[in-house]
Amino acid sequence: EVQLVESGGGLVQPGGSLKLSCAASGFTISGSAVHWVRQASGKGLEWVGRIRSKVDNFATAYDASVRGRFTISRDDSKNTAYLQMDSLKSEDTAVYYCTRAVGYWQRFDIWGQGTLVTVSS
Amino acid sequence: SYILTQPPSVSVAPGQTARITCGGNNVGTKSVHWSQQKPGQAPVLVVSDDRDRPSGIPERFSGSNSGNTATLTISRVEAGDEADYYCQVWDSGNTRVVFGGGTKLTVL
Repeated sequence: EVQLVESGGGLVQPGGSLKLSCAASGFTISGSAVHWVRQASGKGLEWVGRIRSKVDNFATAYDASVRGRFTISRDDSKNTAYLQMDSLKSEDTAVYYCTRAVGYWQRFDIWGQGTLVTVSS
Repeated sequence: SYILTQPPSVSVAPGQTARITCGGNNVGTKSVHWSQQKPGQAPVLVVSDDRDRPSGIPERFSGSNSGNTATLTISRVEAGDEADYYCQVWDSGNTRVVFGGGTKLTVL
């Protein structure tokens, strides 16, 4: 079965750190960009950032709201992407999804089930 | 930065046609993707690149994009189509993905 599975979510204090994982099965992520998208409770989808494939030098891009605090990486040998979140704020509380992007216009054809991150004291 | 505008809600009776719009400056020059999200579930791609349907998506779902408006059309609406729908583009100028605010489709 083709799927992405996120893990690593949980409760963290403001200013703390958390690292999410996005493991692919049934396909290889090596040729694709991987994006992270989040959704606060009752709110819409918000793009977090993305990492491109090896042929594109693993280039990353981030939304302004997380730039400098979040880092996306990948280990194609493990078929897994990561989202390192530092200096967390209460407004980072959300369900975090990873998704595979295909094509120049970055259509998201495979989504994970999401993992909840709660930033609270 | 680039903005996509969707109506917060659309209501339609079963069997009728629902049209959900997505407005953006010259959005017709970009490829628009549409995702469906049901409560407690991850989004699912229903229309890609303006008008293509991924495998497994019913023919009732179609899309168009021209000028400043992209449209998702759902024909012969069923109760199971009730969900939130999001449009999405790749804003290459700013190297970011932009989502519309989402539209809640209610089947009366």
